[in-house]
Amino acid sequence: EIVLTQSPGTLSLSPGERATLSCRASQSVSSTYLAWYQQKPGQAPRLLIYGASSRATGIPDRFSGSGSGTDFTLTISRLEPEDFAVYYCQQYGSSPWTFGQGTRVEIK
Amino acid sequence: QVQLVESGGGLVKPGGSLRLSCAASGFTFSDYYMSWIRQAPGKGLEWVSYISSSSSYTDYADSAKGRFTISRDNAKNSLYLQMNSLRAEDTAVYYCARGGLLQVPWYWGQGTLVAVSS
Repeated sequence: EIVLTQSPGTLSLSPGERATLSCRASQSVSSTYLAWYQQKPGQAPRLLIYGASSRATGIPDRFSGSGSGTDFTLTISRLEPEDFAVYYCQQYGSSPWTFGQGTRVEIK
Repeated sequence: QVQLVESGGGLVKPGGSLRLSCAASGFTFSDYYMSWIRQAPGKGLEWVSYISSSSSYTDYADSAKGRFTISRDNAKNSLYLQMNSLRAEDTAVYYCARGGLLQVPWYWGQGTLVAVSS
């Protein structure tokens, strides 16, 4: 099983600042099969990034994904008020699918 | 637009059974793998199971093997999860999602809450 470890656990930032979220895998993940999700309280997760760097439909370009192998990054270039949420990475290239434990981005 | 609507959740005693359903619309259901993913209260996401478009292939998390059965009815655009021998640790919101195996779970339903308690 591929274990995904996200860091930091919580990120305290102000609107307009840049957010950098990390996802590290216990073994190599094909970048084709790495996704990022945003989840707000009481809502289902929303797909932001798939294939490590491709934005899902309707996702603003302030969200970008990068990385390969065991190290992946989600960057939010300038935080908007609606971006404060929990973010999860996921690998879907091998069974079992696994998710990171999440990074909470909170308002400072 | 793509819609996934789960139903069938509720309160059940340990050892009991429950069948979840997911009604799909807005896309050609029979073209896609489908999955179940759960989230315990205040916790992260955990994949449960997925099924191929023709039902020929299924896969389960270790926590679900031998107790849960995924199925689908392409004529009814519906996905199911039969859950038996339920435990307290199965308490979670259960989401159905479009995608499975090498297909990213792109669309998710709003979830249905399963609570296992005596």
